[in-house]
Amino acid sequence: DGGITQSPKYLFRKEGQNVTLSCEQNLNHDAMYWYRQDPGQGLRLIYYSQIVNDFQKGDIAEGYSVSREKKESFPLTVTSAQKNPTAFYLCASTKSGGQPQHFGDGTRLSIL
Amino acid sequence: DQQVKQNSPSLSVQEGRISILNCDYTNSMFDYFLWYKKYPAEGPTFLISISSIKDKNEDGRFTVFLNKSAKHLSLHIVPSQPGDSAVYFCAASARETGNQFYFGTGTSLTVIP
Repeated sequence: DGGITQSPKYLFRKEGQNVTLSCEQNLNHDAMYWYRQDPGQGLRLIYYSQIVNDFQKGDIAEGYSVSREKKESFPLTVTSAQKNPTAFYLCASTKSGGQPQHFGDGTRLSIL
Repeated sequence: DQQVKQNSPSLSVQEGRISILNCDYTNSMFDYFLWYKKYPAEGPTFLISISSIKDKNEDGRFTVFLNKSAKHLSLHIVPSQPGDSAVYFCAASARETGNQFYFGTGTSLTVIP
């Protein structure tokens, strides 16, 4: 079955630590996205990538970094510069323009 | 600045009746609109979409209506079922902006048996 796999499902971070959230897709999709969801809010775009080795900042990129070395993988690093990292993080992908995004099941990040 | 807005945070409907979820947008460049359904602790699931060349798209119990002049879209669910209880997000994108998707804040639908 094709899909998007996010891991881990739950992640805990200590103050000052960087953590990396994994996102892998086997849908052969070109574009991949990272969103953050906070209670009572919609999905806010952190970063997106339309092709390998290229990515663009979304609305809330500060304190985050990404890489796109392979078409299938788009890991997100939450750095210590992100002052309020506790949230539900969602990864998505899409084949091309005019197509719906497919989402993973998310990673919930909490601060210890 | 929120480019896609869902002004009703919640909606309750009796089973068998119609559910109408609304969404407004501000960017006239948007040409592709989607509705997603989301359960807690899961990713959103694509429900139905519509391109700006149409004003209606139907898929089973779900129909999306687009009013471009009012920059408004709505999702109709008929008949509503208890399993439809979830948070519904509308989203929009524009080819000119690199297919970045903009999401509303969601409407929590409760279908009462």
